[in-house]
Amino acid sequence: AQKITQTQPGMFVQEKEAVTLDCTYDTSDPSYGLFWYKQPSSGEMIFLIYQGSYDQQNATEGRYSLNFQKARKSANLVISASQLGDSAMYFCAMRDPYGGSQGNLIFGKGTKLSVKP
Amino acid sequence: EAGVAQSPRYKIIEKRQSVAFWCNPISGHATLYWYQQILGQGPKLLIQFQNNGVVDDSQLPKDRFSAERLKGVDSTLKIQPAKLEDSAVYLCASRGTSGGNNEQFFGPGTRLTVL
Repeated sequence: AQKITQTQPGMFVQEKEAVTLDCTYDTSDPSYGLFWYKQPSSGEMIFLIYQGSYDQQNATEGRYSLNFQKARKSANLVISASQLGDSAMYFCAMRDPYGGSQGNLIFGKGTKLSVKP
Repeated sequence: EAGVAQSPRYKIIEKRQSVAFWCNPISGHATLYWYQQILGQGPKLLIQFQNNGVVDDSQLPKDRFSAERLKGVDSTLKIQPAKLEDSAVYLCASRGTSGGNNEQFFGPGTRLTVL
């Protein structure tokens, strides 16, 4: 069965420093997609970055980059130059290849990131 | 482009009462999802629609939950009767079929408290 594991319930980072949020996944399907979402206290899930299993390069989106290590089945999110507004819950998710024609998302339990001034 | 709209934002009911949530997806998005997010956990899929048809409702507690998307646009999720363990945030998401990474766009959610 597909599974996402986020082992860090909470993380602290100093403003302007970089931080890595861990995510490991488990799937037997060779074709899958990995996502990171940010959920501020307002509750809305905000899409950050995507990595396809066949992508040759690690995904980057502004200050966000994804450290994709396929052999280790890890997809860690790196946030560079942290800002106070980065304080939020961060969820790693995988598109379930068996979940309907469009692929549902399976989420991890999340990591709460707190940025200190 | 307007995002996914949900209402109400908050709802407090007593157990055994009924409640309904409404979702309006992004215009043109054929796929609509309802997720349940219990405090301290990631969202869990309840039901997925493709246009007005159900694609996946395997995790929907059908004895008390129901959902519909009659005209392939708006959707409602109903709980009847509610239990204490239904206290959660109910998130609606929609997804287009062309371009991008096929990411899902989420609404602000409805926070349900069952007393």
